[in-house]
Amino acid sequence: SQELEQSPQSLIVQEGKNLTINCTSSKTLYGLYWYKQKYGEGLIFLMMLQKGGEEKSHEKITAKLDEKKQQSSLHITASQPSHAGIYLCGADRNSGYALNFGKGTSLLVTP
Amino acid sequence: EPEVTQTPSHQVTQMGQEVILRCVPISNHLYFYWYRQILGQKVEFLVSFYNNEISEKSEIFDDQFSVERPDGSNFTLKIRSTKLEDSAMYFCASTAGLRNTEAFFGQGTRLTVV
Repeated sequence: SQELEQSPQSLIVQEGKNLTINCTSSKTLYGLYWYKQKYGEGLIFLMMLQKGGEEKSHEKITAKLDEKKQQSSLHITASQPSHAGIYLCGADRNSGYALNFGKGTSLLVTP
Repeated sequence: EPEVTQTPSHQVTQMGQEVILRCVPISNHLYFYWYRQILGQKVEFLVSFYNNEISEKSEIFDDQFSVERPDGSNFTLKIRSTKLEDSAMYFCASTAGLRNTEAFFGQGTRLTVV
């Protein structure tokens, strides 16, 4: 079965700093999704990447997909306290139904 | 913005009791899912449901679990005889299609089995 490895596990950054979170798949990626989860709450969709080399941005968050490396990165520019939470990468299961998720990266942004 | 609604937000139950977790997916969505997240662990897929039947289930989804869409709007997860290890956050999700489509998640039901 597919495993998604996220790094780092946790991150503390000072407000205004940039950061990158990585997600590596053990198998070919057909679709890669990034979600954000606030502690004890549901998952909020951030972005979906489908093709190798694809890059998407939303506000100060940019995600890229490197199909050859079976890897995706999420980059936050000029982090703010509102960016704090757990970032999860997900990938389509082989069957096409539902998603497999990584363990998440916990982000704390300090003033 | 449309949203997936789950009730209750928190359920405490005694070991061996049956629980039903409820979800109202987004109205024009066709595919429905349950996931769970044990505290400190990753979000795990349980089951997907389409056209009134289970499309796929994981190894976690054993005979103690069942799903139902009783009335065309609600989507329920029943755990027949709860165990301590069933304590987790349970998330319902729905999508309009299959691959390459955004899944909308509910806020979750925190189930505590004592």
